Amino acid sequence: EDQVTQSPEALRLQEGESSSLNCSYTVSGLRGLFWYRQDPGKGPEFLFTLYSAGEEKEKERLKATLTKKESFLHITAPKPEDSATYLCAVQATNSGGSNYKLTFGKGTLLTVNP
Amino acid sequence: NAGVTQTPKFQVLKTGQSMTLQCAQDMNHNSMYWYRQDPGMGLRLIYYSASEGTTDKGEVPNGYNVSRLNKREFSLRLESAAPSQTSVYFCASSARGLGNIQYFGAGTRLSVL
Repeated sequence: EDQVTQSPEALRLQEGESSSLNCSYTVSGLRGLFWYRQDPGKGPEFLFTLYSAGEEKEKERLKATLTKKESFLHITAPKPEDSATYLCAVQATNSGGSNYKLTFGKGTLLTVNP
Repeated sequence: NAGVTQTPKFQVLKTGQSMTLQCAQDMNHNSMYWYRQDPGMGLRLIYYSASEGTTDKGEVPNGYNVSRLNKREFSLRLESAAPSQTSVYFCASSARGLGNIQYFGAGTRLSVL
């Protein structure tokens, strides 16, 4: 069974204080690892997909990295508008046929104070 | 620029009532999904439709039925609502290839009293 564990559950930062969120996963074969951002009262918004160990992707103050067992979402010099819940999800190669199911972690609630 | 549209946004039901949650996407995606999100549980897959004409159970299908009406629309039905079905429901869609990114709607907040 595919499993995704995110830590910490909640993180408070001061504006400009860089940090990282962790996503550990167990999957028989990884097709892709996804990061989403979710604002209160809204649906998840896609950020990144990573496919193989060593891969990195960046978008503004966010950088996602991937190893064989975990992914990190690095936040550099965060601003209050970066406050949100960040979700990690994995897609397994054994999802079967044309289906591409995602298994989600419970998320990390990030609060950035001004 | 609609993407994935869910209706209604909010709903309150009494135990035993039935209702259908509607989802439509305008991105010409083949696959569609229904999730529920509960505090401390994360997003859990209820049902999915890999392509028009097919549906399959996800992690938590009990108490729900789905219909893939056409390529654009995928509905979720609660035949006899229970308090345990109080949750936020999200519909998503994805295309084959292009990294199979799932795009989500804004959600339906359902309370069953």
